[in-house]
This record gives sequence, C-alpha cells and structure tokens, in this order.
Amino acid sequence: QTVVTQEPSLTVSPGGTVTLTCASSTGAVTSSYFPNWFQQKPGQAPRALIYSTSNKHSWTPARFSGSLLGGKAALTLSGVQPEDEAEYYCLLYYHGGVGVFGGGTKLTVL
Amino acid sequence: QVQLQESGPGLVKPSQTLSLTCTVSGGSISSGDYYWTWMRQPAGKGLEWIARTHSSGKTYYSPSLKSRVTISVDTSKNRFSLNLSSVTAADTAVYYCASLGAMDVWGQGTTVTVSS
Repeated sequence: QTVVTQEPSLTVSPGGTVTLTCASSTGAVTSSYFPNWFQQKPGQAPRALIYSTSNKHSWTPARFSGSLLGGKAALTLSGVQPEDEAEYYCLLYYHGGVGVFGGGTKLTVL
Repeated sequence: QVQLQESGPGLVKPSQTLSLTCTVSGGSISSGDYYWTWMRQPAGKGLEWIARTHSSGKTYYSPSLKSRVTISVDTSKNRFSLNLSSVTAADTAVYYCASLGAMDVWGQGTTVTVSS
C-alpha cells in the first residue's frame, strides 16, 4: 500500500520561513504525481493552495509556494503570518489518477 | 461559477450501503475541466481520498476501498454519486465532494454516522 509521509508537526516564528515536505513510499516525487497542497483550520473545510506542484489558485497568498525538493514535494511559506497556523495536507496522484493524501502537518506559529 | 452540494442520510446502519449525491450547479457535470472527487475525514483525523471520475469516463478508486466503492455520474440530473457498501463504524466521517486541481470546487461536507 502506498504511503505519503509528511512531517507530523512544525513550529515557525512569525515572519519566518518554513518548508513542509511530502514524500512517497514508492520513491522520488516528480511532477507526474501532480502534487496538491491544502490548508485546513479547525472546524473548517480544507482549502486548496497549490496544484500540479507549483500552481497557485487565485486565492492563494503570494507567500505560499510549491516545488519539488530532494525527491519530495514541498510547500514553502515565506514571511509566515499568525493566520497560517493550520493543518496542511499534501495529495499525490498515482497510476494516472489514484489520489493519496499525506497524514498532514500541524503548523504552529509561535 | 460551479458550486457543489452534498446530500444523503446522516445516519447509516452497519452492514448497509452509504449513498451520497453531489449536485453540480452553475456548470455542466459533462465538462472536461473537472475531476469529480469524493473524500472523507473522520473526526480529529486526516483526509482520505476515496474516488474520482471524469467526463472521459475514466474512474479511479482508492485501493483500500475499491472493493466497496462505486462512483457514478448522472448527466441528466447534473450530479455524481458515491456508494459505499458494507459500512462499519470506521466509515463514520465528514464526506466531501469536490473537483480538485486547476478547477477547484468543494461542497460544504456532510457528516455521516454509521451506527445501529
């Protein structure tokens, strides 16, 4: 069974930079996995941030960026704001269309 | 602007089939721009991808649920559906319908509890 792994938790100071990663048990993540990133705050539905590795939605703040880094998908937050404290999930696609979510990263802004 | 709305029973008995519908408004379910997807999230836990379908007819299922899940499209009613058979308490979750990717649209989510 394919497993997608994220850091369980990360802490960042306001104004700082943090990178969340998303690894696949099958090996290096490439653009062919069409990495997606989602943000979820308590009591709210998830909100999409990034699709197909690095593409932003119209509502995605400029401080969020997606990339591939060291064989993983990555989400970098530059100039972190207190409102960025949330759970972040990555989603990878396998075999052309089967999606698998990572377990999520709880980001604390402190 | 496309909007999605889930509907279905909030309570399902163990061993029965969970059936949910996602109605598409503001656009056509036959549009090739959208990948119609079902996901779920148990309380306090992470997201789980269930299945997705496209107007091309291609359908994909989570391997862990594939034996119990069917996703289907009703173009006449502009909606797509999820059937999950032989449910147990482990299937209790908030279920979301969505289109993910460039055309990102979500329903508000619907809570389904499996209990006798």
